[in-house]
Order: sequence, then structure tokens, then C-alpha cells
Amino acid sequence: GQNIDQPTEMTATEGAIVQINCTYQTSGFNGLFWYQQHAGEAPTFLSYNVLDGLEEKGRFSSFLSRSKGYSYLLLKELQMKDSASYLCAVMSNYQLIWGAGTKLIIKP
Amino acid sequence: GAGVSQSPSNKVTEKGKDVELRCDPISGHTALYWYRQSLGQGLEFLIYFQGNSAPDKSGLPSDRFSAERTGGSVSTLTIQRTQQEDSAVYLCASSLVAGQVPYEQYFGPGTRLTVT
Repeated sequence: GQNIDQPTEMTATEGAIVQINCTYQTSGFNGLFWYQQHAGEAPTFLSYNVLDGLEEKGRFSSFLSRSKGYSYLLLKELQMKDSASYLCAVMSNYQLIWGAGTKLIIKP
Repeated sequence: GAGVSQSPSNKVTEKGKDVELRCDPISGHTALYWYRQSLGQGLEFLIYFQGNSAPDKSGLPSDRFSAERTGGSVSTLTIQRTQQEDSAVYLCASSLVAGQVPYEQYFGPGTRLTVT
């Protein structure tokens, strides 16, 4: 079957760094996406990885290892507005397979 | 430019009634997805349209659910004889496609459906 695993909830402190992990097992792979979803809002695109390595975009970075079926999203200099759910999704053939999301709680 | 729009934003209906949810994708996006998200849960894939190809209906939970996409643009998701377990936020997303591989999806604001 197809499976995406990520922690249900994480807590971090304002100004700190947090890493959200995602592991996957899918029948196909055309890339891995990270989305941010604030409570009551639709998901918004954060990053896309299709090759191994680290993609950096401002305070956010995303890493992929295809051989390990593993990705992480790294958030630096955390701000209160980063409190949200972070969704990992794998493009398997033409379909996005979604993880359940990691709820990130930022404490002052 | 305009993003993905959905209507209505909220819908309250009585059990057993039919509902129609509408999605207007971003112009030029040939791929369109419908998802369902229950409170605190992840996204549940419902159906996928790509150009003129037959839609992938593998995620539809029952034959009470159907969707169509007219003219390769606007899509309507219909739920017949609604049940309380149908209560959720219904999200629509669209994307460009390169070859057979869609790019990142852009989501609409969703329709919050409540079945009483």
C-alpha cells in the first residue's frame, strides 16, 4: 500500500529551530511536497523536492533522501505565525498521497 | 491573477438532502482535484480530473458522491442523500501539468459542509 508517516504534533520555542520528519512508502515517486495549513484555512505550498538533497527557501528548508524514503522540513528562527499544521505529500504517478499533517505549536 | 474559488463557503443541510459544491480552478490549470478534510484530519482524496481524460474516481467514498467538470474548467461535486458523516471541509485544488506529472497544487478556500 501507500503510506506517509509524520509526527502528529510537535512543540517548539519562538526563535528556535524545528525539524519535522516525513517517511513514505509509495508505488511511484514524482516528487515530495510540503504544505502549510493554518487552522481553518486551505493548505498553501511551501516546497518541492524531486532530487536528493537540501532545498533552502528563506527560513524554511526541505531535505529529501529517495533511497531512504525520507524527507524533513526545517524551520529556523521560529515565529508565532509559524504555528500551523505541516503536511507532507508524495506525488505517486499523478496523484498526491497526503500525510495526516504535523501540528506545530510555538511557545513564546 | 485569481486563485481557485469555491462556493458556497459554508453549507448547512438536512440529512437526506442533495448538495452541490462548485469549484472554479485557476485559468489554464488542466488538473483539478477534490479532497475532503474532517476536523483535525489529513486530506482525503476524492476525485481527479486531467484535461479530457476520464476522471480518476477511486477516492469517492460511495455512489452518493459524483463530480463533473464542464469544458475543462468549472467542476461540481454532488453529494446525494447526505449523511451526517459527510460533514467536513471539501477542498478543491488545481495545478498545471507537464507531461503526465502535475505541478504543485493551489487550493481553494474550501466549502464547510454541515449535515444536521
